[in-house]
Amino acid sequence: NAGVTQTPKFRILKIGQSMTLQCAQDMNHNYMYWYRQDPGMGLKLIYYSVGAGITDKGEVPNGYNVSRSTTEDFPLRLELAAPSQTSVYFCASKNSNTGELFFGEGSRLTVL
Amino acid sequence: QQQVKQSPQSLIVQKGGISIINCAYENTAFDYFPWYQQFPGKGPALLIAIRPDVSEKKEGRFTISFNKSAKQFSLHIMDSQPGDSATYFCAASEGEGNTGKLIFGQGTTLQVKP
Repeated sequence: NAGVTQTPKFRILKIGQSMTLQCAQDMNHNYMYWYRQDPGMGLKLIYYSVGAGITDKGEVPNGYNVSRSTTEDFPLRLELAAPSQTSVYFCASKNSNTGELFFGEGSRLTVL
Repeated sequence: QQQVKQSPQSLIVQKGGISIINCAYENTAFDYFPWYQQFPGKGPALLIAIRPDVSEKKEGRFTISFNKSAKQFSLHIMDSQPGDSATYFCAASEGEGNTGKLIFGQGTTLQVKP
């Protein structure tokens, strides 16, 4: 089972560049989330979606955008990359029957 | 404002020992408290979870103890094994049936020495 798939796994960006982190899930989950993980800081929620066409901001949304055109896909867009966006990004989907989050393996982004 | 505070940041335990990780929360509306386990290079995965209507939940060597009045909960790993070496996150959310936005603690890196 694929579960939650994130691409790319690694990326280096220059300051001011833009990119999209891709996330896809094959479990037909309505709820999807983007978190960033920084050392000693835990996981911070960037954006989330409760279904196709519906998105909302989390704790740290500045500098990011999302879209949710299908149930399966939830891409995260970084505009004008800054060094503060150097982090590991995790996409997750939720089984709404159990409350369990299923995470992808992460995308490590470095902004130089 | 850190809504879920986790301690310690790191923990070293001998094989066979007990590992204890603590979390405290502020929002009394939280009603779902999971623990996630993360191995290097992987995403977090659900380990065990509890709701505030019980004070303890055990699954194998892993136990959650919950103290609603103190707004604290902890993870106990009995007979700790080197394979338990990982980062552990506590979390809390309000309304599992709603958006289920999990607020995570800062994480604890556990090393179990052989």
